[in-house]
Amino acid sequence: SQELEQSPQSLIVQEGKNLTINCTSSKTLYGLYWYKQKYGEGLIFLMMLQKGGEEKSHEKITAKLDEKKQQSSLHITASQPSHAGIYLCGAPRGDNRLAFGKGNQVVVIP
Amino acid sequence: KAGVTQTPRYLIKTRGQQVTLSCSPISGHRSVSWYQQTPGQGLQFLFEYFSETQRNKGNFPGRFSGRQFSNSRSEMNVSTLELGDSALYLCASTPLGNTEAFFGQGTRLTVV
Repeated sequence: SQELEQSPQSLIVQEGKNLTINCTSSKTLYGLYWYKQKYGEGLIFLMMLQKGGEEKSHEKITAKLDEKKQQSSLHITASQPSHAGIYLCGAPRGDNRLAFGKGNQVVVIP
Repeated sequence: KAGVTQTPRYLIKTRGQQVTLSCSPISGHRSVSWYQQTPGQGLQFLFEYFSETQRNKGNFPGRFSGRQFSNSRSEMNVSTLELGDSALYLCASTPLGNTEAFFGQGTRLTVV
């Protein structure tokens, strides 16, 4: 089974609407990364959360880490077509690797 | 500062052939990791190199190998290609003392 489960798998929203995606870990989280990927391209770093309860924002994207629930959420306010893509969460593991979820596909309809 | 550069961007190979992919990390980054991304499995860790030494390896067969040069550039090699090796191969570089990984654009390998 996947170490990191992302939900919902895909999401279609109308431009201007808010959306929230989630990433839940089956193992203890010592930090969490959010990346964005356009189909077939590399990963663009969004933000890194290191402590439980930490919340970070960049432009209209806010991510929060809940260590107790072993979960992170990413919220986009007033979505735009530029927010479309696949959002991947990654968790550092002790052996210098990142474990990733399968991604949340976000489609923004104008 | 230039980002992580992967070459080539696209490759088409035949079953049984071998392939070498290249990754140039961000200047000053000494750790380079490789990942395989497929629709079914998502992103899977292949291996990580630091100062020319492989520090960690994922659960992939021995056909997958890599190396790192003294300038931190890394190559990965896949021998005896199989159809299932078709994937996007991503390389990430990490600065010393940090786990923040910066990814390249990837190499799309298609095995026919």
